[in-house]
Amino acid sequence: AQKVTQAQTEISVVEKEDVTLDCVYETRDTTYYLFWYKQPPSGELVFLIRRNSFDEQNEISGRYSWNFQKSTSSFNFTITASQVVDSAVYFCALSRITGGGNKLTFGTGTQLKVEL
Amino acid sequence: DAMVIQNPRYQVTQFGKPVTLSCSQTLNHNVMYWYQQKSSQAPKLLFHYYDKDFNNEADTPDNFQSRRPNTSFCFLDIRSPGLGDAAMYLCATSSRGIGGSQTQYFGPGTRLLVL
Repeated sequence: AQKVTQAQTEISVVEKEDVTLDCVYETRDTTYYLFWYKQPPSGELVFLIRRNSFDEQNEISGRYSWNFQKSTSSFNFTITASQVVDSAVYFCALSRITGGGNKLTFGTGTQLKVEL
Repeated sequence: DAMVIQNPRYQVTQFGKPVTLSCSQTLNHNVMYWYQQKSSQAPKLLFHYYDKDFNNEADTPDNFQSRRPNTSFCFLDIRSPGLGDAAMYLCATSSRGIGGSQTQYFGPGTRLLVL
């Protein structure tokens, strides 16, 4: 069975602080994909990143960076110099292979609040 | 811009009165998904279409049905909404791919209120 754990329910930071959102996953698949999505108050899930299980290189995109460690089954997300616009719920997800399409197992999400 | 569109953004219905939510996409993706998301919870997959093939999740109530008349459109029908069906309904699309690699792109959602 697949499982994604986001232990941090809610994080509050002051603008310009760095913040790391944790994600730990469980799977028996040798090939799998991990995703991060952002859900602002408007409700739309915005795709941020996809990472496959064979690529453990860290990735940086502007103020966002991701640290994938297969040895600890973690895929953590760091926002550098946080801004108020970063306030949202962030979901980590793991894909499951199906006969058609793919199914995502979501974590329970981390609510990030960035205050002035 | 290519996108996933959901209408309406807000829908109010009465207890037991059938309601239909719509989703359209300009991405030309083969796969379309419907999720239900209740307050402070993760999205829960209801079903998905792989082209015309319908794939229902085992725990999706019979009260929820779906139609996909063509590649671009997909509908979610709730035959007899109950108070517990009040939620955000998210539509997503993805291309055909291998090994679970496909990225799902989500629409803005329809927030359903049942009175």
